[in-house]
Amino acid sequence: AQTVTQSQPEMSVQEAETVTLSCTYDTSESDYYLFWYKQPPSRQMILVIRQEAYKQQNATENRFSVNFQKAAKSFSLKISDSQLGDAAMYFCAYRNAGGTSYGKLTFGQGTILTVHP
Amino acid sequence: GAVVSQHPSRVICKSGTSVKIECRSLDFQATTMFWYRQFPKQSLMLMATSNEGSKATYEQGVEKDKFLINHASLTLSTLTVTSAHPEDSSFYICSASPQRGSKTQYFGPGTRLLVL
Repeated sequence: AQTVTQSQPEMSVQEAETVTLSCTYDTSESDYYLFWYKQPPSRQMILVIRQEAYKQQNATENRFSVNFQKAAKSFSLKISDSQLGDAAMYFCAYRNAGGTSYGKLTFGQGTILTVHP
Repeated sequence: GAVVSQHPSRVICKSGTSVKIECRSLDFQATTMFWYRQFPKQSLMLMATSNEGSKATYEQGVEKDKFLINHASLTLSTLTVTSAHPEDSSFYICSASPQRGSKTQYFGPGTRLLVL
């Protein structure tokens, strides 16, 4: 079974600064997807960024980028120019690309991000 | 973008009653929907995979008779918590994918259940 580990229960950052959230995972599969989701106080899950395992290039979405290290099974999220609206709980998630567990997401424990003005 | 709704957003019920939660994909068809449970400040735990026209697949440790799932159409899945007890109080979230080949799931806004 796949596992996802987020070792930082809480992180904080000053507005306009950069912060990196860590995530490691364990799988025996070669084809899979990795995600970062944001859950603000409203509790609505919002997709931040997605990475396909077969792609060597790190995904980027505006101020959000990832450092995907497949061999190390590491998938960190970097938030640049942090904004107050970035404050939320962030979840790293894994999904097989196929197989019997197709579509099922496995989530990490989450990291609460606080942004200080 | 793809939109998933849930109803109700919040429900309070007495112990021993049953509660039904609906999950709808508003602008796409979803052959598969997923139901998660989340306790405060904790992660999402997958409860079951809801398949249109067939039986749901439950995760280990989830009681099938307790959490009844019905996926009667390509846009609607329901989760019924039967004979609810206070320990069933939680936040329930559904998600859906537009098609089997879709890489991304879209989440509903969640339902907060409080059993008194």
